[in-house]
Amino acid sequence: GAVVSQHPSWVICKSGTSVKIECRSLDFQATTMFWYRQFPKQSLMLMATSNEGSKATYEQGVEKDKFLINHASLTLSTLTVTSAHPEDSSFYICSALDPGTGYQETQYFGPGTRLLVL
Amino acid sequence: SQKIEQNSEALNIQEGKTATLTCNYTNYSPAYLQWYRQDPGRGPVFLLLIRENEKEKRKERLKVTFDTTLKQSLFHITASQPADSATYLCALGQDFNKFYFGSGTKLNVKP
Repeated sequence: GAVVSQHPSWVICKSGTSVKIECRSLDFQATTMFWYRQFPKQSLMLMATSNEGSKATYEQGVEKDKFLINHASLTLSTLTVTSAHPEDSSFYICSALDPGTGYQETQYFGPGTRLLVL
Repeated sequence: SQKIEQNSEALNIQEGKTATLTCNYTNYSPAYLQWYRQDPGRGPVFLLLIRENEKEKRKERLKVTFDTTLKQSLFHITASQPADSATYLCALGQDFNKFYFGSGTKLNVKP
């Protein structure tokens, strides 16, 4: 099946710094990628939809200036958490659609990035 | 707004038995419903998709039902194994641009 990678797998940073998370589709091209965050024992919350070559679509309540998304190529989307604060500590997961295999609605998830802001 | 409910309490069953997980939803008319498996500290993995015009879907030891009248999906794992222990998420959508996930149910299969 389609493989999605994320980097880094975990990161610890000081409050006020910016952190960039990469999401790559390894064996397919993804025109659409999604970014989620997940708190312990809670559901995945969709943050934004990333479309290659265009601006991301953010969900209500998600600050687009704080969570910068760039989908510059068909295999890479990045999420930058700017001026991170302790409340931004969470598990960030990306996913991609691969219309070329299986169902077009199926999302293939990356392994996630654990962010801890001190 | 739409609401998706999965049993927040863990489901504990004995190896070899059938595990049944429930996903209920309100204020929504999904075109399809998906089930994913998530292991601790990992991203979800797709298992099955069922569309609104389908009643049942099977894949090996897995079976999913979808009742749009009851607004409910049941997810069954037959002949369960300890390796099936994980959190199972249901996700609903109308198109491929937006999905809504339940909070998941943790399954513990004891040997």
